Amino acid sequence: EVRLVESGGAVVQPGGSLRLSCAASGFKFDDNAILWVRQRPGQGLEWVCLITWDGRGTYYGDSVRGRFIISRDNTRDSVSLQMDSLTPDDTAVYYCARGEEETTTLIDYWGQGTLVTVSS
Amino acid sequence: EIVMTQSPATLSVSPGETVTLSCRASQTFRNNLAWFQQKPGQAPRLLIYRASTRATGVPVRFSGSGSGTAFTLTISGLQSEDLAVYYCQQYNNWPLTFGGGTKVE
Repeated sequence: EVRLVESGGAVVQPGGSLRLSCAASGFKFDDNAILWVRQRPGQGLEWVCLITWDGRGTYYGDSVRGRFIISRDNTRDSVSLQMDSLTPDDTAVYYCARGEEETTTLIDYWGQGTLVTVSS
Repeated sequence: EIVMTQSPATLSVSPGETVTLSCRASQTFRNNLAWFQQKPGQAPRLLIYRASTRATGVPVRFSGSGSGTAFTLTISGLQSEDLAVYYCQQYNNWPLTFGGGTKVE
């Protein structure tokens, strides 16, 4: 069974930093890209970033580029999202998601999400 | 950026009805279009990809169609467990973009 478990969500002050983690299991981790998608309270879904299976390619949405960094450790089947210079607009549930093996930008599985709240 | 627009925002339905949800793109792209279902308090779930291919385990009452800039998700014989928010997403171009969702209530 494919499982993606996010952790690291917390309350953080504006301007602060936070690091989210995503632990994967149930599949061959280095076959798949991993994405982060967020959902602000009561709002829709917003793609945040993607990292390719080998970690050599990273892609970011405009709203986070230059502030967030995605990385992965294929020896530990995990992905991290380093988030800096956080603003209240970054308040959201952050989902870790798996990119389908053939079409890496297609999300086929989602984690349950972790809540990040940016507030003073 | 490809802007995805869904309509209607909310749809009030009764069990057994056939429901049609619309998703329009601001520009044409290859049929890399997905539909997701999200129930309250849950993560989204993939229903349809490549505009019309059902994901594993998705009931046959869900079907997708369309091409170019106009796509549709149809639920034939809606069941109570289908009450949810449905999102379309294009995964063809950067940035990946979602529609605003249609709530089926």
